[in-house]
Amino acid sequence: KQEVTQIPAALSVPEGENLVLNCSFTDSAIYNLQWFRQDPGKGLTSLLLIQSSQREQTSGRLNASLDKSSGRSTLYIAASQPGDSATYLCAVSGYSGGGADGLTFGKGTHLIIQP
Amino acid sequence: DADVTQTPRNRITKTGKRIMLECSQTKGHDRMYWYRQDPGLGLRLIYYSFDVKDINKGEISDGYSVSRQAQAKFSLSLESAIPNQTALYFCATSDFTQGAGDTQYFGPGTRLTVL
Repeated sequence: KQEVTQIPAALSVPEGENLVLNCSFTDSAIYNLQWFRQDPGKGLTSLLLIQSSQREQTSGRLNASLDKSSGRSTLYIAASQPGDSATYLCAVSGYSGGGADGLTFGKGTHLIIQP
Repeated sequence: DADVTQTPRNRITKTGKRIMLECSQTKGHDRMYWYRQDPGLGLRLIYYSFDVKDINKGEISDGYSVSRQAQAKFSLSLESAIPNQTALYFCATSDFTQGAGDTQYFGPGTRLTVL
């Protein structure tokens, strides 16, 4: 059974700092890995998707890396802003029907950026 | 208008009642998913469907059933609700295109309380 772990569970940093969120998974036979953002009481917003054959993806101030063989991914946030405060979720999918099946989620990192 | 909509957004019901949660999407995606989110447990997959004739159980399908009425509609039913089914329920969709990664997009969620 796939298990996803996110470290740290919570993080509070001053505005402007660069930071790294970590995700690990136990079964390296993944189809893809997604990073999401969740604001309190809201749904999930997809930030980045990395296919199993890729090493990293970038979107604006966000960069996600994937090391499938070691079961690790990192989400790098540059020049953090108070608006980045949210819970960040990592999720992986296995293979089914020629593509991805459902996602297995970590429990998230609760991030607070202090103004 | 939102691409993935869920109704109702909030529901309070009593133990033993039958409840249906509905999900509709205008993204034209073939694949749809139901997850539940519980504090401390994260998001877990209940059911997923690759098309109207293909429905699969997820990690926690016991006590739930689903119906894929059309490509755009995927309903989740609790035949006899119990208090430990109190949770935040999310519907998601994805568009499997070979090589594109199969990103999942989430609805706003339904908060269900079973008394």
